[in-house]
Amino acid sequence: DTEVTQTPKHLVMGMTNKKSLKCEQHMGHRAMYWYKQKAKKPPELMFVYSYEKLSINESVPSRFSPECPNSSLLNLHLHALQPEDSALYLCASSQDPPDGMRKKLFFGSGTQLSVL
Amino acid sequence: KNQVEQSPQSLIILEGKNCTLQCNYTVSPFSNLRWYKQDTGRGPVSLTIMTFSENTKSNGRYTATLDADTKQSSLHITASQLSDSASYICVVSGVNAGNMLTFGGGTRLMVKP
Repeated sequence: DTEVTQTPKHLVMGMTNKKSLKCEQHMGHRAMYWYKQKAKKPPELMFVYSYEKLSINESVPSRFSPECPNSSLLNLHLHALQPEDSALYLCASSQDPPDGMRKKLFFGSGTQLSVL
Repeated sequence: KNQVEQSPQSLIILEGKNCTLQCNYTVSPFSNLRWYKQDTGRGPVSLTIMTFSENTKSNGRYTATLDADTKQSSLHITASQLSDSASYICVVSGVNAGNMLTFGGGTRLMVKP
């Protein structure tokens, strides 16, 4: 299994809603990532989990809350989002942690989020 | 500051034609460079990975080159197909601990029949 699976594929939510994005990989990778991608822009790093611990938080607003329940799962909890948070949210994993040499990222298909 | 610049920003070619995409970077010290293909609304998919010592790497109709001295890479697509229409992103990794990946802005390729 060489896939990173993200659910849901599409999500529409209001600014007062609470929702969660889910990501799963069964490749035994030790690092998992959340990226945010606006249209026609490259992905922007949000969070990195290394060995199930949060290792990097790129100054992301607290309305985004990551969680890594175990080595295969990564969640992104959303609360009180703004319309400008609408974007494609990508999950990725890599065999090595971010400072390792084998940083090949495997990306999921993403969750297209629209905040109304 | 680590930067990755890609050109052109967008490109339209006819089916069956070849094209070359460019990537210049300032990431130092350099570890490796990847080319990803991203279809609209989907996650990026890795095409090639090259380290400092590799000059050329092929993956089917995709051939990537790397000149670590001039800090330039190219992705050559041969005999383009409609399914090649996508964004192509160059991603460079540095050697230092904590040196994260630097993404280029991508080249949006459209292949027309």
